[in-house]
Amino acid sequence: SSELTQDPAVSVALGQTVRITCQGDSLRNYYTSWYRQKPGQAPVLVIYGKNNRPSGIPDRFSGSNSGNTASLTITGAQAEDEADYYCNSRDSSGNHLVFGGGTKLTVL
Amino acid sequence: VQLVDSGGGLVQTGGSLRLACAASGFTFSRYRMNWVRQAPGKGLEWVANINEDGSEKHYVDSVEGRFTISRDNAKNSLSLQMSSLRAEDTAVYYCVKSLPSAKYYFDSWGQGTLVTVSS
Repeated sequence: SSELTQDPAVSVALGQTVRITCQGDSLRNYYTSWYRQKPGQAPVLVIYGKNNRPSGIPDRFSGSNSGNTASLTITGAQAEDEADYYCNSRDSSGNHLVFGGGTKLTVL
Repeated sequence: VQLVDSGGGLVQTGGSLRLACAASGFTFSRYRMNWVRQAPGKGLEWVANINEDGSEKHYVDSVEGRFTISRDNAKNSLSLQMSSLRAEDTAVYYCVKSLPSAKYYFDSWGQGTLVTVSS
């Protein structure tokens, strides 16, 4: 399967920890990247590979992988983390890329 | 790094359009480039990518044979030629740069250009 599945919406209390998941068969073979998108803005890379953060991304963002599931964890969520989050990986061919449907994160 | 997308607009079903991306602030010829689109109110969809010298191109199945990605390294520009456009191609199209060490991860995005396909 070339699909990546995400929960449509997740909420977290301010300062608490939240995990956003992404499931797909291809994740058994390939790492994931995660993107944050705020309304009216282009996406921003927050995590890639095994657990790498681009410069400028706070260390409260981390990634992990297990079997067919990749996870993005925000430890101590802040109000500015409220956004849509998308996972991305290669499909089974290895040459095409696919995004998950996105998870809308609400910080309460 | 700066990526400036242009060329979007309103086009009739079955028509053609050419998108452009002007790159600056980095050595363009050293990076794989991509187009990613987002239909209004929907999620992201990878459309196509091209390797550093333009010899390798890949497309999502839904645009294969209709869209052509190309690059001009001398002009630091990326293009997407779109033909036989359909209503479902309506989206904001982003020019996206891949990471240098991990070509399937996207570290810089343009501002996007809106393509509207209507009869």
